[in-house]
Amino acid sequence: NAGVTQTPKFQVLKTGQSMTLQCAQDMNHNSMYWYRQDPGMGLRLIYYSASEGTTDKGEVPNGYNVSRLNKREFSLRLESAAPSQTSVYFCASRPTKTDTQYFGPGTRLTVL
Amino acid sequence: DAKTTQPTSMDCAEGRAANLPCNHSTISGNEYVYWYRQIHSQGPQYIIHGLKNNETNEMASLIITEDRKSSTLILPHATLRDTAVYYCIVRPPRANSKLTFGKGITLSVRP
Repeated sequence: NAGVTQTPKFQVLKTGQSMTLQCAQDMNHNSMYWYRQDPGMGLRLIYYSASEGTTDKGEVPNGYNVSRLNKREFSLRLESAAPSQTSVYFCASRPTKTDTQYFGPGTRLTVL
Repeated sequence: DAKTTQPTSMDCAEGRAANLPCNHSTISGNEYVYWYRQIHSQGPQYIIHGLKNNETNEMASLIITEDRKSSTLILPHATLRDTAVYYCIVRPPRANSKLTFGKGITLSVRP
């Protein structure tokens, strides 16, 4: 199993550009999450998806949209990137019967 | 989720046991104690969790006090690869949404 994979690993954008961060898991987990982590801070939840076809806002959803394309894939879209969105983005998944979350390696995004 | 308190940092010698403390004095009866770690530039990694009994797996042991107000994560034979930030998290079961990561404790394993 590859676990949770994220693409790209690194990305540099200019202010106003758009992009989609991809996340996929091969563990047949129902729940998936997107977090951001800024220097010296803990992880903050952007959006999550309890199951295929459902999404819910986390604590910092502004400026982002998500799509739960199928059970495996959960993408995060920045429609008009801003420097405040410079961060490391982590995707995670969770099986139904536990509270343990499994994280991907992260995407390091810089917005100039 | 109950608040947790951890020291900012600690170090230990390679090959020795690393004992990482966590206080969670406001923990509720149905809340579990979880430990994750984050090695530099990587995603967080689940280590272990428990409710009130001590737990052990291939990575670590978790000792929870009888009153459940504190716990200790034990890495029995620390290696240089165990250098990371360790997060103690308390949460109720089946909580669907976020994990609340605080600042954690930075463990430095020295040669």
